[in-house]
Amino acid sequence: NAGVTQTPKFQVLKTGQSMTLQCAQDMNHEYMSWYRQDPGMGLRLIHYSVGAGITDQGEVPNGYNVSRSTTEDFPLRLLSAAPSQTSVYFCASRSGFSGNTIYFGEGSWLTVV
Amino acid sequence: EDQVTQSPEALRLQEGESSSLNCSYTVSGLRGLFWYRQDPGKGPEFLFTLYSAGEEKEKERLKATLTKKESFLHITAPKPEDSATYLCAVQAGNYGQNFVFGPGTRLSVLP
Repeated sequence: NAGVTQTPKFQVLKTGQSMTLQCAQDMNHEYMSWYRQDPGMGLRLIHYSVGAGITDQGEVPNGYNVSRSTTEDFPLRLLSAAPSQTSVYFCASRSGFSGNTIYFGEGSWLTVV
Repeated sequence: EDQVTQSPEALRLQEGESSSLNCSYTVSGLRGLFWYRQDPGKGPEFLFTLYSAGEEKEKERLKATLTKKESFLHITAPKPEDSATYLCAVQAGNYGQNFVFGPGTRLSVLP
């Protein structure tokens, strides 16, 4: 049982480049989300999805896009990378909109130069 | 606005030296308070959920308690393998849809 799987683990981008962080979960969870984690700050919600075909913005959505075509996958796209997007990104899932235990992936370390 | 703060920011203990981590919160409609452990280079790992004031949960050397304004994570006779960052989070909102995370406490246990 893999849980939540993220790729890549590490990535270096140049300013202006685009890329996609992949996320997949095998727990049949309806709710998936992306967080970023920066030093001294709590995990901040970027985007979330309550099911296939439904996405919405979180606390810090600017510069990111998401889509949810299947229950299992929830990719995060950086449209035009900026140094301010240097961070650690975590994909997460839980069993429903009000489901309370969040399961996290291992993280993706992104550096934008 | 829902907020979570944690103290101290970092804590160094000698092996066997018990202590407590604090999580203070202001939230409307608390649905649950969560503790996570995060090892370097890893994602947060779920430890406990607390739902109401007075509730306590235990796991090995860890015990979490909850009051109306804060939660404590007590660490009894810690070992070096307890070294990690401990995150606190609250679930709130009319439907429990909002999770707010604190910045974490970085715990180091020295042998």
